[in-house]
Amino acid sequence: GAGVSQSPRYKVAKRGQDVALRCDPISGHVSLFWYQQALGQGPEFLTYFQNEAQLDKSGLPSDRFFAERPEGSVSTLKIQRTQQEDSAVYLCASSLLDRATVGELFFGEGSRLTVL
Amino acid sequence: RKEVEQDPGPFNVPEGATVAFNCTYSNSASQSFFWYRQDCRKEPKLLMSVYSSGNEDGRFTAQLNRASQYISLLIRDSKLSDSATYLCVVNPLNQAGTALIFGKGTTLSVSS
Repeated sequence: GAGVSQSPRYKVAKRGQDVALRCDPISGHVSLFWYQQALGQGPEFLTYFQNEAQLDKSGLPSDRFFAERPEGSVSTLKIQRTQQEDSAVYLCASSLLDRATVGELFFGEGSRLTVL
Repeated sequence: RKEVEQDPGPFNVPEGATVAFNCTYSNSASQSFFWYRQDCRKEPKLLMSVYSSGNEDGRFTAQLNRASQYISLLIRDSKLSDSATYLCVVNPLNQAGTALIFGKGTTLSVSS
């Protein structure tokens, strides 16, 4: 499809497990964002890539969270030693423009992580 | 103080009603503003940008008051299909090094 694709759509992990969430942005989109959305909350910024460069990771809640976009297209968000408070929907968004001019973010459907 | 604040609602209105949502932001240097719509268990989607002069798109009108640091969204002649969560979004500095900041959202339920 032409939209942002995320996988898996649903992930159940036992506390302490590592998980990897994948985002395939719209082809040609320069900017890629990861957001975390807890139940009843708005999306919270995690990290931003411009092509393969991670320009902002100020929103990552701890060093257990790691993201990469090695070739400037597909991105992976990895969470090590998952905790119950990591349970949320992880949204990936891409934009054709750089962050200075971004107005419209195109979101994927999200990966819903439940940590037991 | 949260960077972007919204009344979470829910706003329960009948079809045909006019409803308004407000949002306040804390960073006076913020440059660009948006409303996104999020349906239940779906991803957010851009509804409209908000300009200083105000803008209208059909039944939807968005306005920005920089002096008071608030943004509004007015929906006229509400439809059942307008039921969703409306997210107020701010680009704090409109330059590299920032990310779009989302409010918690305001939930609207339109009933027949």
